[in-house]
Amino acid sequence: DAGITQSPRYKITETGRQVTLMCHQTWSHSYMFWYRQDLGHGLRLIYYSAAADITDKGEVPDGYVVSRSKTENFPLTLESATRSQTSVYFCASSGGPTTSYNEQFFGPGTRLTVL
Amino acid sequence: AQSVTQLGSHVSVSEGALVLLRCNYSSSVPPYLFWYVQYPNQGLQLLLKYTSAATLVKGINGFEAEFKKSETSFHLTKPSAHMSDAAEYFCAVRRNTGGFKTIFGAGTRLFVKA
Repeated sequence: DAGITQSPRYKITETGRQVTLMCHQTWSHSYMFWYRQDLGHGLRLIYYSAAADITDKGEVPDGYVVSRSKTENFPLTLESATRSQTSVYFCASSGGPTTSYNEQFFGPGTRLTVL
Repeated sequence: AQSVTQLGSHVSVSEGALVLLRCNYSSSVPPYLFWYVQYPNQGLQLLLKYTSAATLVKGINGFEAEFKKSETSFHLTKPSAHMSDAAEYFCAVRRNTGGFKTIFGAGTRLFVKA
């Protein structure tokens, strides 16, 4: 199906474990983003990517790693999960052949719990 | 630097009443402004956007917002609330002079009473 998908939708892990959240979009959008959503903070940008093999830090990058070897995929890895990383994570994309670079299109989110 | 302030983390209205969600922004350059809506257990979806054309912007589901530069505001309104409007609403700002980083407000949860 066309669109932007995230997997898994729900994940429970333990402190210190490595976790990878997947994001896939079928629009050939140039830009992709990872946000975390926490109560009272709205959405905060973790990392973004302007194109394949181009990534950069956002507002809250510590403890996270990203890669973008293909335009359509933008995985987010928590190298050693901490309880403070319990959150809802959203992937988004923007800017493609038929859509403007202004608005972002969001995936359904991954709810991550770190015990 | 840009920032967004949404006044009121929760707003409650009766069905059929006016919806007014407030957003003030700060931007050193002319901005693009957005309202997104988030329904439970879903991602955000674009409601409407201002990109320096008409100052009154109409969006989906009967919502509209007016850009007021003198007040640095971009309040969201709907004349008559429907139960299905219950959701969380986010105001967001982005530079229109290049770059793409979008700053989101903390969100306002709208409750609609029958």
